[in-house]
Amino acid sequence: AQKITQTQPGMFVQEKEAVTLDCTYDTSDPSYGLFWYKQPSSGEMIFLIYQGSYDQQNATEGRYSLNFQKARKSANLVISASQLGDSAMYFCAMRMNYGGSQGNLIFGKGTKLSVKP
Amino acid sequence: ETGVTQTPRHLVMGMTNKKSLKCEQHLGHNAMYWYKQSAKKPLELMFVYNFKEQTENNSVPSRFSPECPNSSHLFLHLHTLQPEDSALYLCASRGAAVSSETQYFGPGTRLLVL
Repeated sequence: AQKITQTQPGMFVQEKEAVTLDCTYDTSDPSYGLFWYKQPSSGEMIFLIYQGSYDQQNATEGRYSLNFQKARKSANLVISASQLGDSAMYFCAMRMNYGGSQGNLIFGKGTKLSVKP
Repeated sequence: ETGVTQTPRHLVMGMTNKKSLKCEQHLGHNAMYWYKQSAKKPLELMFVYNFKEQTENNSVPSRFSPECPNSSHLFLHLHTLQPEDSALYLCASRGAAVSSETQYFGPGTRLLVL
């Protein structure tokens, strides 16, 4: 069965430093997508970055990069130069591209990131 | 307006009330989703609509009734809810290309059932 695991319930990082949020996934499908979302205390889920299972290069979006290691089934989010506004919950999610649930997302339990000034 | 909007943002209701949550997307997407997010639980998928047709009902109790009159609007009708239904309800939408489209979320409705 498909599954997303985020093992860090909470993380602290000093402002302006980089931080890595861990995500591992489990699927037997060859085609899937991996996403990271940010959820501030306001509640909205904000899309950050996407990695397709066939993408050869790691995805980057501004200060966000996704460290995709397919053999290890990991998709860690790296945030460079942390800012106070990065304090939020971060969710890793996987999209199935096949089967009856294609297009649906499975979410991990999330990691609460706190940026210290 | 742009993106995905949800109204109301906050809702308090009694167990005997009937209320509705509304979601509207301005992205030209064809698929819409309802999720429930309870405290300390992963996001739970409730319903999926593709081109106005319900394609998934994730064993949701009948006190939650979705309605999708067109590809831009999605409703969640609530009646005789229980206190454990208190949660953040998130709506999302996605374009037609399953393998390449991202789900975009609305701001959510925080529901409190008394």
